[in-house]
Amino acid sequence: EVQLVESGGGSVQPGGSLRLSCAASGFMFSSYEMNWVRQAPGKGLEWVSYVSSSGSTIFYAASVEGRFSISRDNSKNSLYLQMNNLRAEDTAVYYCGRRGDSSGYYVDYWGQGTLVTVSS
Amino acid sequence: QSVLTQPPSVSAAPGQKVTISCSGSSSNIGNNYVSWYQQLPGTVPKLLIYDNNKRPSGIPDRFSGSKSGTSATLGITALQTGDEADYYCGTWDSSLSAGVFGGGTKLTVL
Repeated sequence: EVQLVESGGGSVQPGGSLRLSCAASGFMFSSYEMNWVRQAPGKGLEWVSYVSSSGSTIFYAASVEGRFSISRDNSKNSLYLQMNNLRAEDTAVYYCGRRGDSSGYYVDYWGQGTLVTVSS
Repeated sequence: QSVLTQPPSVSAAPGQKVTISCSGSSSNIGNNYVSWYQQLPGTVPKLLIYDNNKRPSGIPDRFSGSKSGTSATLGITALQTGDEADYYCGTWDSSLSAGVFGGGTKLTVL
């Protein structure tokens, strides 16, 4: 069974940092591209970042470019999101998601999410 | 403002059919596959449709997807009260080099 379990969320002041982790199991993690998607309270889904299976290709949403950094450790079946210089508008539930292996871009499995609250 | 445009809400009676539209541009829907997600209240998003019209295992054939040009449509037939949820379309935007989602559509089954 595919499982994605996020951790590392919490409350932080504006300008602070957090590192999110996503532990993957039930599939060959090193073969799959991964993503972070967030959802602000009461709002819709917002794509945040993508990393290829090897980690060599990375993309970010314009709203987080230069502040967030995605990475992965295939030896540990883990995905990470380092978030620096956090802003109030970064407050959201952050989901780790696996890209499906068919032709299109889509997320076929989602973690349960971890809440990040940025407030003074 | 989302890159993909969806109606904020749709409604229909139980047993009826509803469609949800998703409008984009040539850099996203026009040249990439579309996916659809269902988010029941208080739960994690769930993949309903991928590659425009394919259903993952376990998704009933009451759910269907189609694409024409720069727009896509999710169809749900034989509506049930349990279908009340937020529905999102998504795809890749080749110009932005980014994933994009629609703003979401709240389905009410009256």
